[in-house]
Amino acid sequence: GAGVSQSPSNKVTEKGKDVELRCDPISGHTALYWYRQSLGQGLEFLIYFQGNSAPDKSGLPSDRFSAERTGGSVSTLTIQRTQQEDSAVYLCASSLGPGAYNEQFFGPGTRLTVL
Amino acid sequence: AQTVTQSQPEMSVQEAETVTLSCTYDTSENNYYLFWYKQPPSRQMILVIRQEAYKQQNATENRFSVNFQKAAKSFSLKISDSQLGDTAMYFCAFLDSWGKFQFGAGTQVVVTP
Repeated sequence: GAGVSQSPSNKVTEKGKDVELRCDPISGHTALYWYRQSLGQGLEFLIYFQGNSAPDKSGLPSDRFSAERTGGSVSTLTIQRTQQEDSAVYLCASSLGPGAYNEQFFGPGTRLTVL
Repeated sequence: AQTVTQSQPEMSVQEAETVTLSCTYDTSENNYYLFWYKQPPSRQMILVIRQEAYKQQNATENRFSVNFQKAAKSFSLKISDSQLGDTAMYFCAFLDSWGKFQFGAGTQVVVTP
């Protein structure tokens, strides 16, 4: 079956522009997570969705970052007025439900480069 | 807040040999999960092994095994009979009861012929 997919695979943008990153979770997975991986670093939690609601937005680094999820499926992470420090790989994961006992399956990520 | 520490930025091992990656964590929770993920150059995060904190028995998956020391908050990964395909970045991760991950900085494993 299909895994988690993300698009685009790579995105190069100029400083100050807005970008949208897309995540398609595994069908039937109600929980969806966004992470950021900066060069040489581990994953940093950004936001978590259960259905279309985001009970935990604590990881969003600034108000330039926002995310939404529609239909309990596709999610979009938007970064406004991008800065060079936003350059990173953005990973999405989904699981059957919230909680530690549900394995999270990761997508291949979107590599964002801000020039 | 939880923290995860991987003190080895890079480890090199010859094919067929054994390598052990260290991981320590800090938490006040009693019920949690620990994971090792592998990330090859393709960027795909692949689950290697999982340990539930309430289980004392160390988890094993084929050539991969862990040494879980709950009191010491230590969770090391042993890769036996290393293969070239094991070359990747390995991340130790702590998962709390809400499903929120905290990852270590990673250890780059290089398997040489």
